[in-house]
Amino acid sequence: GNSVTQMEGPVTLSEEAFLTINCTYTATGYPSLFWYVQYPGEGLQLLLKATKADDKGSNKGFEATYRKETTSFHLEKGSVQVSDSAVYFCALKVSGGYNKLIFGAGTRLAVHP
Amino acid sequence: DAGVIQSPRHEVTEMGQEVTLRCKPISGHNSLFWYRQTMMRGLELLIYFNNNVPIDDSGMPEDRFSAKMPNASFSTLKIQPSEPRDSAVYFCASSLYLTSGSSYEQYFGPGTRLTVT
Repeated sequence: GNSVTQMEGPVTLSEEAFLTINCTYTATGYPSLFWYVQYPGEGLQLLLKATKADDKGSNKGFEATYRKETTSFHLEKGSVQVSDSAVYFCALKVSGGYNKLIFGAGTRLAVHP
Repeated sequence: DAGVIQSPRHEVTEMGQEVTLRCKPISGHNSLFWYRQTMMRGLELLIYFNNNVPIDDSGMPEDRFSAKMPNASFSTLKIQPSEPRDSAVYFCASSLYLTSGSSYEQYFGPGTRLTVT
């Protein structure tokens, strides 16, 4: 079946550190991949997406590359800020399926000054 | 654009009472999703609709839960009777689904925090 596996959190970093949150997936066909972010007390919001192999999604200094050969979509940011503290969800959407998303468990990121 | 609107934002009720959560999707979107989020179970998809028709309700935990979408601009999730283990944040999300295969993201509402005492 279709599934998403994320690295367990929490991830704790100092401001300006490099961030990587690992995400791997299992899917039939050619899924689209997404990263969503949830700030405290809010709903999820789309951070970035990639719809085909080798695509790179990027937004707000975050980026992730769709790697079909390793079935991965790792999230990276070169220099995190305190305001990046949130929970990050990796998700996939298979073809068809009414835009239903399969979410990973989420990874909590805490950035300290 | 107003985004996805959910009401109420907070609900506190006693065990055994009926609870109704409401959602207004983004205008023009034709897919709607209800999720539940708890610390223990994370984010769970309960049910989703396309063009107001329920497509998959396999995530609904039990018969106490029901959802309707009477028109393209309104959906409800009802719990009757409510139990303390139903305490969670309930999210509604909407999306534009096209059979052409173009991939559109889901937009989430701010959630309803339900506490059942």
